[in-house]
Amino acid sequence: SQQGEEDPQALSIQEGENATMNCSYKTSINNLQWYRQNSGRGLVHLILIRSNEREKHSGRLRVTLDTSKKSSSLLITASRAADTASYFCATDGASGSRLTFGEGTQLTVNP
Amino acid sequence: GAGVSQTPSNKVTEKGKYVELRCDPISGHTALYWYRQSLGQGPEFLIYFQGTGAADDSGLPNDRFFAVRPEGSVSTLKIQRTERGDSAVYLCASSLQIGELFFGEGSRLTVL
Repeated sequence: SQQGEEDPQALSIQEGENATMNCSYKTSINNLQWYRQNSGRGLVHLILIRSNEREKHSGRLRVTLDTSKKSSSLLITASRAADTASYFCATDGASGSRLTFGEGTQLTVNP
Repeated sequence: GAGVSQTPSNKVTEKGKYVELRCDPISGHTALYWYRQSLGQGPEFLIYFQGTGAADDSGLPNDRFFAVRPEGSVSTLKIQRTERGDSAVYLCASSLQIGELFFGEGSRLTVL
């Protein structure tokens, strides 16, 4: 299995609802990041949470990190149709340099 | 530049041909990464440069793949004797320090 596995693989919700995506990883990390990718485009960084942090907020985004369970969650509140994209978690592992990405969650927000 | 620039955006080639993909990182970013992404998958690490040197090339799948960054800025990913399985989007990213990566739009390679 890959370092960084998201679930669910796909999520479909209505505009205004909250969307929660989860990520699990296997090895120790220095930090965990979440990225977003619109279809056919490059990845865009959303938020970084360090291993000594438990929760972080950025606008409508809330990220939690549980290093004892080696898991993280990304919550998008009050979703909009423009939030439709794939969301990936990425971990740096012991090296602290290369990022390893998960398979992603495909989020569809229906207007 | 304003962002990471990758050329070409699309490349169609025949099996067995040689291909070069170019990445122009954000000015001043010392770290440069190459990833490969297949349809419906997450990006797969290929190689990481710190300055001119390859700090980690453990993700290159075999010796047909090679990357250079001779002056510590622009990087070229080179693929020899292309195979159909090499078809993917090749993503380049740069960063100023360990942390947030800035990605380009990718080069879509199709090997017929």
